[in-house]
Amino acid sequence: GAVVSQHPSWVICKSGTSVKIECRSLDFQATTMFWYRQFPKQSLMLMATSNEGSKATYEQGVEKDKFLINHASLTLSTLTVTSAHPEDSSFYICSARGSSYNSPLHFGNGTRLTVT
Amino acid sequence: RKEVEQDPGPFNVPEGATVAFNCTYSNSASQSFFWYRQDCRKEPKLLMSVYSSGNEDGRFTAQLNRASQYISLLIRDSKLSDSATYLCVVPGGSNYKLTFGKGTLLTVNP
Repeated sequence: GAVVSQHPSWVICKSGTSVKIECRSLDFQATTMFWYRQFPKQSLMLMATSNEGSKATYEQGVEKDKFLINHASLTLSTLTVTSAHPEDSSFYICSARGSSYNSPLHFGNGTRLTVT
Repeated sequence: RKEVEQDPGPFNVPEGATVAFNCTYSNSASQSFFWYRQDCRKEPKLLMSVYSSGNEDGRFTAQLNRASQYISLLIRDSKLSDSATYLCVVPGGSNYKLTFGKGTLLTVNP
């Protein structure tokens, strides 16, 4: 069964609104979660690393005020796309690893965001 | 050398064929490696983990060559359902960050 749950699976919103995406680790505690974005026919792009109890680490070129990340507990991280615009339409995927360095990444089922 | 580099593909093979993908990495300190498959419009799913020289799981064999810093994935007796993008994943950096290759698209034809 799924070890990482992501919600919602898809969302359509109007330009200018904010959208919150939740990512939960179900069977383990994840001090670190990762948020990716993927445009059609392109590879996964890491947006930020979410750290429980501290600020997220954003990759170069990703606006932290645009993509707000909150990791308030060991099992939940949220990504809020603020003031969404059509160019933010994409497939957003969260992932989490177990505590071992050898642990693989487990992915949520992704959120397809369409901004009209 | 790029952090992770994969065969560009795409690979088009007939059913029953054997196909192999290679992936090179730059971080010599990496200990564990992963192959994921991603179907169109879906999230990546773990296919195999590679910790030592390699491992086998049914029709799939992953091999690791630390000296040359590459890992490979071999698929025998290809099935139509093997059609997907295969992602090579290598750990590196802080926060247990994993680096993804750009992926290799495989299409198995009837």
